Amino acid sequence: GENVEQHPSTLSVQEGDSAVIKCTYSDSASNYFPWYKQELGKRPQLIIDIRSNVGEKKDQRIAVTLNKTAKHFSLHITETQPEDSAVYFCAATPRGYIPTFGRGTSLIVHP
Amino acid sequence: DVKVTQSSRYLVKRTGEKVFLECVQDMDHENMFWYRQDPGLGLRLIYFSYDVKMKEKGDIPEGYSVSREKKERFSLILESASTNQTSMYLCASSAQETQYFGPGTRLLVL
Repeated sequence: GENVEQHPSTLSVQEGDSAVIKCTYSDSASNYFPWYKQELGKRPQLIIDIRSNVGEKKDQRIAVTLNKTAKHFSLHITETQPEDSAVYFCAATPRGYIPTFGRGTSLIVHP
Repeated sequence: DVKVTQSSRYLVKRTGEKVFLECVQDMDHENMFWYRQDPGLGLRLIYFSYDVKMKEKGDIPEGYSVSREKKERFSLILESASTNQTSMYLCASSAQETQYFGPGTRLLVL
């Protein structure tokens, strides 16, 4: 089955810095790659996604890049703010609507 | 606005008890999922259902069963709870790719 590796497990940055979280996947059939954000004590929520026919997608301060050849994709957050502090999960979707999630990255933004 | 609710936020049970966790969604989604979330292990799929009375095993189904008698409701059952099932349980639903999660049930098995 699909295997998604996510790094780093913890990321600590100063407010205003950029943050990058990287994921690799194993199943070349995966064609949809969402990112979910889970704030402390809350439910995960989709923040951005990318499909296999696109190399990059941006939404304000967040962007996702995809390299299908190398089977990796990344989340980029610019000008980080304290409210960006959360656990971020990447996922790859090889089987219809069933994602395989990475283990999560705990992002801490220090004011 | 999609709403996914779970029957309990916190639950304490004893080893050997039968435990029911319920999830309800109000958006007529075909697909429903149960995940287990543990620190450092991410979200692991226990079971999913793509239609009423249909179910498929996920990555860690051992010790669990599910029931989907109505489209909006998906139940997770721990037939005989064990301490290693102490965890956060998240339900989700989807029509297509985007998953909508419930608030989670934190289960403690003593």
